Amino acid sequence: DAKTTQPTSMDCAEGRAANLPCNHSTISGNEYVYWYRQIHSQGPQYIIHGLKNNETNEMASLIITEDRKSSTLILPHATLRDTAVYYCIVNEKNTGFQKLVFGTGTRLLVSP
Amino acid sequence: GAVVSQHPSRVICKSGTSVKIECRSLDFQATTMFWYRQFPKKSLMLMATSNEGSKATYEQGVEKDKFLINHASLTLSTLTVTSAHPEDSSFYICSASGLAGVRNEQFFGPGTRLTVL
Repeated sequence: DAKTTQPTSMDCAEGRAANLPCNHSTISGNEYVYWYRQIHSQGPQYIIHGLKNNETNEMASLIITEDRKSSTLILPHATLRDTAVYYCIVNEKNTGFQKLVFGTGTRLLVSP
Repeated sequence: GAVVSQHPSRVICKSGTSVKIECRSLDFQATTMFWYRQFPKKSLMLMATSNEGSKATYEQGVEKDKFLINHASLTLSTLTVTSAHPEDSSFYICSASGLAGVRNEQFFGPGTRLTVL
């Protein structure tokens, strides 16, 4: 079972910031928070991951609360191409050798 | 870098036939590959994990004799759906484990849509 809960869907206007929340209250000390997204009929795409510090890359920012029980993925200037299902996953580092358990994710719709 | 391809991208077959799906890591060696299945409007569900040169490990409820997985090289894994039936129609996605800098990550293929008539 997935260890995370996310809202089923969210809407965002093009050009605005999209803030996607995720609850992971049972996260353990050695588990990271990973975010992937899946555009319709494509394979999942890695976005970002973090342990306890906030992280930023060219795609997004990840804000993790101090108690690590929740996090928020921020797309600073959403575009229509960001319309996708966003998955928040907790896993130990080095996910390469471990299966990823996908929850239901958040369906983000970016509108003009 | 870290590109994973799948072939075919889409396949339609008759009930009772077998279908083979290939997953290739194009620019890195993948010691571990994963096969997922996704039904419409549902999340990805892991079917099996395969390590190069050894037998695949199947998730509970996945029939190993129906979904044959071969991982004979560090760049290729195949999934064969044997005696396919309409309920096997789904989106099949593979991922391959490789190095991205110092980070070990899973890289996903684009998926294969199987339709069984």
